[in-house]
Amino acid sequence: DQQVKQNSPSLSVQEGRISILNCDYTNSMFDYFLWYKKYPAEGPTFLISISSIKDKNEDGRFTVFLNKSAKHLSLHIVPSQPGDSAVYFCAASGGNQFYFGTGTSLTVIP
Amino acid sequence: GAGVSQTPSNKVTEKGKYVELRCDPISGHTALYWYRQSLGQGPEFLIYFQGTGAADDSGLPNDRFFAVRPEGSVSTLKIQRTERGDSAVYLCASSLTPGGPLDYNEQFFGPGTRLTVL
Repeated sequence: DQQVKQNSPSLSVQEGRISILNCDYTNSMFDYFLWYKKYPAEGPTFLISISSIKDKNEDGRFTVFLNKSAKHLSLHIVPSQPGDSAVYFCAASGGNQFYFGTGTSLTVIP
Repeated sequence: GAGVSQTPSNKVTEKGKYVELRCDPISGHTALYWYRQSLGQGPEFLIYFQGTGAADDSGLPNDRFFAVRPEGSVSTLKIQRTERGDSAVYLCASSLTPGGPLDYNEQFFGPGTRLTVL
């Protein structure tokens, strides 16, 4: 039973444009959401997070939006850079456990 | 400073054998997590330690899987009677403390151990 879903396995974006990665969840008890970035042969690296009491969190080129009523969050990267090419995982937590989506592979085309 | 390290980086074993996977967390991190990532999937929670004790082991798939953290630092994930379905990348992560909804601490992941059961 997948509680966190990333329905787009891949995304290609031109350098300089905006990348939008989406994530849906089913458990309304989740109170903390995170985005991780993963390069091949490496572990995931924390990117940005948001608490359920907020609807937006911004850190440089990265912004995460949370829509609790729709149980949806998104990651915006602007402007996109070739070094952003990686697999992005969203994750959600309501306690000790963290539930991850299946990932979206982002390719930023120079 | 040193990040989370995992050894071995790759492990190939035969069905039915016993394996141990090791995780060295970041010094001072009290929380430690084990995840399993199968091909095309996201990391799947296995077990969480707070200090020496397993605070939540509900993600362990069955009793062939066991993990310890005897001194509250290094952790070992042990898999008995391995099966081909156990083949995956096993990830370890650590954080300062789990915190609460307003102050969750970032999890730092190791590079993982790729386990292949033939």
